[in-house]
Amino acid sequence: DGGITQSPKYLFRKEGQNVTLSCEQNLNHDAMYWYRQDPGQGLRLIYYSQIVNDFQKGDIAEGYSVSREKKESFPLTVTSAQKNPTAFYLCASSIEGEQSPLHFGNGTRLTVT
Amino acid sequence: QKEVEQNSGPLSVPEGAIASLNCTYSDRGSQSFFWYRQYSGKSPELIMFIYSNGDKEDGRFTAQLNKASQYVSLLIRDSQPSDSATYLCAPSKPGNTGKLIFGQGTTLQVKP
Repeated sequence: DGGITQSPKYLFRKEGQNVTLSCEQNLNHDAMYWYRQDPGQGLRLIYYSQIVNDFQKGDIAEGYSVSREKKESFPLTVTSAQKNPTAFYLCASSIEGEQSPLHFGNGTRLTVT
Repeated sequence: QKEVEQNSGPLSVPEGAIASLNCTYSDRGSQSFFWYRQYSGKSPELIMFIYSNGDKEDGRFTAQLNKASQYVSLLIRDSQPSDSATYLCAPSKPGNTGKLIFGQGTTLQVKP
C-alpha cells in the first residue's frame, strides 16, 4: 500500500545533539512538507519541497535543516540551535494543486532533555 | 488576528446529537478548505474538502462555506463516541499547494 513512513515513532535526545527524522513516501508525490505540532496547538510549517534538490523555508525554519536528494525522501534535521525542539513532528506529501490534500505520516515524537 | 481561528473547546455533545465546529479565516484569497480529524497522539486525517459556497455532505459530515463571511463549519450528525477527536480547519490558496495554515483545532467530546 502507498503511504508515508516516518521513523522512529519516538526519539529521545540530550540537549545539544543534532537529530535526524526520517520521512519516506511511495505515493509518487512531488511535494513534501514538515510540520511541527505542540500540545494544544495547530500545525506549523517548518520546510517544504516541491521538487527534488529544491526546498523552501516555512514559518518556523530556524534551527532546522532538510535535504531532498530523492523524490521519495525528505529527512529533517533538528539542530542544537533549535531552542525548543521537543514536539510532535509530522511529514506530509501532496500532488501539485490548490485542491490537493496533504497525506500525513504517523509522526515522530521528539523529546529533548 | 490569527489567520485561522477555531474555538479550542472542548465541545461536549451527547451521543446522537449534532456537533457544530466553526472556523473563521482572515485571508480572502483562500479558496479551498480542508477539515482534518486528529485523534490524540495520531496524525491528522482528511475528512472533508469544500471549495464552493454552500453545503457539501458526505455521510454524517456536512461542511458549510460562506466566503463572504470568511466562515467555514463542519457539522457531524448522529455524533458517536468514536468522533471524539480534535478537528483542524485549513484554508488553501491558489499557488500555495500544501502550505496550509492550520487552526489550533477544536476538541470534540461525544459522551455516551
